[in-house]
Amino acid sequence: DTEVTQTPKHLVMGMTNKKSLKCEQHMGHRAMYWYKQKAKKPPELMFVYSYEKLSINESVPSRFSPECPNSSLLNLHLHALQPEDSALYLCASSLPPAGLNTEAFFGQGTRLTVV
Amino acid sequence: SQKIEQNSEALNIQEGKTATLTCNYTNYSPAYLQWYRQDPGRGPVFLLLIRENEKEKRKERLKVTFDTTLKQSLFHITASQPADSATYLCALFKAAGNKLTFGGGTRVLVKP
Repeated sequence: DTEVTQTPKHLVMGMTNKKSLKCEQHMGHRAMYWYKQKAKKPPELMFVYSYEKLSINESVPSRFSPECPNSSLLNLHLHALQPEDSALYLCASSLPPAGLNTEAFFGQGTRLTVV
Repeated sequence: SQKIEQNSEALNIQEGKTATLTCNYTNYSPAYLQWYRQDPGRGPVFLLLIRENEKEKRKERLKVTFDTTLKQSLFHITASQPADSATYLCALFKAAGNKLTFGGGTRVLVKP
């Protein structure tokens, strides 16, 4: 199984809603990532978890709250988002670290629209 | 500061020709450079990885070169096909915190 599964595929939420994005992998990877991608732009790193601990937070606003409950799951909790937060949210995982000898595997993303 | 730059202009190429994409970087050392393909609305898919001490890597019709003096990688798609049309992203890894950062990507359109 070389898949990273993200749910839901599409999400529309109001600015006062609370929602969560989920990401799951069963490849034994111990590094997991959240990226945000706007149209015609590259993926922009938000958070990195290494061995279930948050190792990087790229100064992301607190309305985005990541969680890594175990080595297979990664969540992104959303609260009080703004319309400019609408984007494709990508989850990725790697056998850490993603660079020395290994690749990152990406999910298909969650297309988020904030109304 | 660290930068990864790709040619932001789209590359239009005739089927059968070789597409060559450029990735320039600054202030990454050691460098482990990766190339990904991304289709619209989908996540990136890994293609090739090249290390700083490697000059060239090949995979089927793909070839990557690495010039550490110029701090540049070239990505070649030989005998290009319309199915190769996509955005190609280079990415660099920073060991501190497992940080994988992408360049801006180059869109390739292969015309039959």
